[in-house]
Amino acid sequence: DIQMTQSPSSLSASVGDRVTITCQASQDIRNCLNWYQQKPGKAPKLLIYDASNLQIGVPSRFSGSGSGTDFAFTISSLQPEDIATYYCQQFGNLPWTFGQGTKVEIK
Amino acid sequence: EVQLVESGGGLVQPGGSLRLSCAASGFTVSSYWMTWVRQTPGKGLGWVANIKQDGREKYYVDSVKGRFTISRDNAKNSLWLQMNSLRAEDTAVYYCVAGRYSFDYWGQGTLVTVSS
Repeated sequence: DIQMTQSPSSLSASVGDRVTITCQASQDIRNCLNWYQQKPGKAPKLLIYDASNLQIGVPSRFSGSGSGTDFAFTISSLQPEDIATYYCQQFGNLPWTFGQGTKVEIK
Repeated sequence: EVQLVESGGGLVQPGGSLRLSCAASGFTVSSYWMTWVRQTPGKGLGWVANIKQDGREKYYVDSVKGRFTISRDNAKNSLWLQMNSLRAEDTAVYYCVAGRYSFDYWGQGTLVTVSS
C-alpha cells in the first residue's frame, strides 16, 4: 500500500497567516491526490482534487500543488472558519490511502 | 440538496454481522461510483470498498476481503455494506461516499462498535 506522510501533525497560526501543509507519498502517484477539510463532528469535505484543482464553491485562498511524491496544500490567508483537520488522499494505486491529518488551530 | 444518510450501525460482538445502509438523494446516484470510507480516532481515515455505477466492479481493502460485501440498487438510490466476521479493529465511523477517485459527497456517518 502507498503510505502518505503528512506534516506537520498540528499547527497553530494567526488569522491572516499563510499556512502550508505537506504530504509525501511512498511512491510516485503522478497528480493523483486530493485534499479534504474535516471540522469537528462533521464528515470530510473535498477541497482540492487532482493535486491542484479547486472544487466548485471552495474559497480561492485554498490551493494545492505538486506531483510525483511531494505535494503541498496552502491556505493563503488563514480565517477563523478554517479551523479543522486537513487530510491528503491518494488514488494512484489501490487501496486509496489517506494521510494521518493536520490539525490547524488559531494562535 | 445532496443527502447521503447512513443507518445500521451499532454494537456487535466479535464474529458478528451488521448491514449498513445508505440512502442517497439530490443527485444522480446512478452516475457515480459509490464508496465506503471508515474513520477511527487511532488510525484516521481508511478507504474500505467501492462499487461501479452498474455494480459489476467492486474493490475492497485487503483487511475486509472475504468478510465485507458492497452492493447497490440504483432504482432505490441505495448502497449497502454487509459486514460479517466482525473484528475489534473494524470499530469505526463508516461513511457512505459518492465518488471513485475523489469523494465528492459524504454522509454523516454511522458508528460501528465491535466489542464483547
